[in-house]
Amino acid sequence: NAGVTQTPKFQVLKTGQSMTLQCAQDMNHNSMYWYRQDPGMGLRLIYYSASEGTTDKGEVPNGYNVSRLNKREFSLRLESAAPSQTSVYFCASPPAAPRYYGQYFGPGTRLTVT
Amino acid sequence: GIQVEQSPPDLILQEGANSTLRCNFSDSVNNLQWFHQNPWGQLINLFYIPSGTKQNGRLSATTVATERYSLLYISSSQTTDSGVYFCAVRGGGSNYKLTFGKGTLLTVNP
Repeated sequence: NAGVTQTPKFQVLKTGQSMTLQCAQDMNHNSMYWYRQDPGMGLRLIYYSASEGTTDKGEVPNGYNVSRLNKREFSLRLESAAPSQTSVYFCASPPAAPRYYGQYFGPGTRLTVT
Repeated sequence: GIQVEQSPPDLILQEGANSTLRCNFSDSVNNLQWFHQNPWGQLINLFYIPSGTKQNGRLSATTVATERYSLLYISSSQTTDSGVYFCAVRGGGSNYKLTFGKGTLLTVNP
């Protein structure tokens, strides 16, 4: 049981390049989230998926797209990377009853856009 | 949207000391969680505590929902407690969105 996994762990892009961040969970949870974390800030929600087949915008969705490929996988795509998207990206997946288990986070992807 | 403020922003302790971290929020919540981000960046859930008090070893948390604050207590701190502590809340009008505070950076020196 790996929990939440993310790939890649590190990535450097040039401005204008595109890439997809992958996230997978093996806990059979319905919900999955993408956050970004910038220095001195808490986590900010980019997009979330309440269940397979649905996605919704969070606080900072501009410049990103997502796909909930199936119940396990939730990907985040940067179509044309900008330096402002330099950040650490976390995928998370809470159980339906967070009072018992809280929220599980992936290890993060550190993205630098030059 | 709901606002979350954490204090203090930074805290430096000697090993063995106790500390209290505070989280204030601007509206009623139906979900409040505390997380620890270790120096390697990993985020770990500590407590789910929208109200009441919970304890887990040297850590405990109390949320007074009617007064819109939560406290995280760390007793007999250890160097492994170092990192950033985040409070995150979900307001009553949101089914899924957690709003995070900016965190408290705790450094425990040996």
